[in-house]
Amino acid sequence: NAGVTQTPKFQVLKTGQSMTLQCAQDMNHNSMYWYRQDPGMGLRLIYYSASEGTTDKGEVPNGYNVSRLNKREFSLRLESAAPSQTSVYFCASCGRQGNYEQYFGPGTRLTVT
Amino acid sequence: AQSVTQPDIHITVSEGASLELRCNYSYGATPYLFWYVQSPGQGLQLLLKYFSGDTLVQGIKGFEAEFKRSQSSFNLRKPSVHWSDAAEYFCAVGADRDDKIIFGKGTRLHILP
Repeated sequence: NAGVTQTPKFQVLKTGQSMTLQCAQDMNHNSMYWYRQDPGMGLRLIYYSASEGTTDKGEVPNGYNVSRLNKREFSLRLESAAPSQTSVYFCASCGRQGNYEQYFGPGTRLTVT
Repeated sequence: AQSVTQPDIHITVSEGASLELRCNYSYGATPYLFWYVQSPGQGLQLLLKYFSGDTLVQGIKGFEAEFKRSQSSFNLRKPSVHWSDAAEYFCAVGADRDDKIIFGKGTRLHILP
């Protein structure tokens, strides 16, 4: 079991470029999440998907889009990157509904110049 | 909406000393509460969780936490810290659907030799 995997681990973008962060889990979990982590801000929820085919906004969705491609995969897209999106991005998944125990990927460190 | 406050941004304790990290939450119903730990450059790992029942919960790595409804608190404790406990600790509260959880801003623990 790989758990939750994220690619890439590191990325540098120029302002205005686009990119997609990939996340996959092999635990057959229904729910998946994207967070960003900034110093002193903790983790803030960007988007989440409670089940395949559904997505919902979290606390800080502006500037991002997501796709729940299938049960395993949940991608995060930055259409036009801005320096304010420099952050560490974490994907997480959660098993049965009501469990709330989230499993985290190792993170993607993104720098936008 | 639920919220979590961790009043201490940094805590420094000597190795072998006891530890208490504070967490206060705001939520209308019985909360689901969590403590996660993040070592430098790593993702988050669940230390322990409270759903119901005994208000003193035991976790991994010798940590425990006590739920006090009257004080809206869920403080994390360890009787004797080790240098390897140096990390950032996040308290989180679960919502009542979609397995969404909200994180506090974290407390960074420093250990003096």
